[in-house]
Amino acid sequence: EADIYQTPRYLVIGTGKKITLECSQTMGHDKMYWYQQDPGMELHLIHYSYGVNSTEKGDLSSESTVSRIRTEHFPLTLESARPSHTSQYLCASSELGGKFFGPGTRLTVL
Amino acid sequence: QKEVEQNSGPLSVPEGAIASLNCTYSDRGSQSFFWYRQYSGKSPELIMSIYSNGDKEDGRFTAQLNKASQYVSLLIRDSQPSDSATYLCAVSGGYNFNKFYFGSGTKLNVKP
Repeated sequence: EADIYQTPRYLVIGTGKKITLECSQTMGHDKMYWYQQDPGMELHLIHYSYGVNSTEKGDLSSESTVSRIRTEHFPLTLESARPSHTSQYLCASSELGGKFFGPGTRLTVL
Repeated sequence: QKEVEQNSGPLSVPEGAIASLNCTYSDRGSQSFFWYRQYSGKSPELIMSIYSNGDKEDGRFTAQLNKASQYVSLLIRDSQPSDSATYLCAVSGGYNFNKFYFGSGTKLNVKP
């Protein structure tokens, strides 16, 4: 079944740790995205990719980095987590139409 | 001015009524329009897409597009408490072809 997956779903981690949020999709979409969303607030685009070896920063400045080595995989990395990074991180993919979102990773940095 | 504007609500309707959600956009060249439903704590789910003027119906949902007025709406007939969520309008394909803009969402409460 074509879908988009994110792991972990929940992560509680201490300040200064390096973390990688995983995102994979089986729909064969070239375009993938990372959004950040706080509870009850708007979606903010932080990274996107239009294909392998293509990555761009989004509208919201973020200290995270991304890579796109395979079409189906778009991981997001925080080198040194801080409490200000506490948020929900949503991965999405698209082709010609609307975006399809994964279930999200809720990150808490203590 | 935001690219996509929505009333934040909450919009409260009784069970069984028609809920009407509205959205305006600023880029006259926009070509693709989407409605997402987002339950609290969950990710957005694509429920409707519309590309040409007029109405598009899918079950209890009807999307309406008026490009001349730069206006998109979503009607939910026979509203159910399970429809209570935040509804996001999204627009793409305008002046900046690759841009995809989300509205801030309208919170809908359907009262039993």
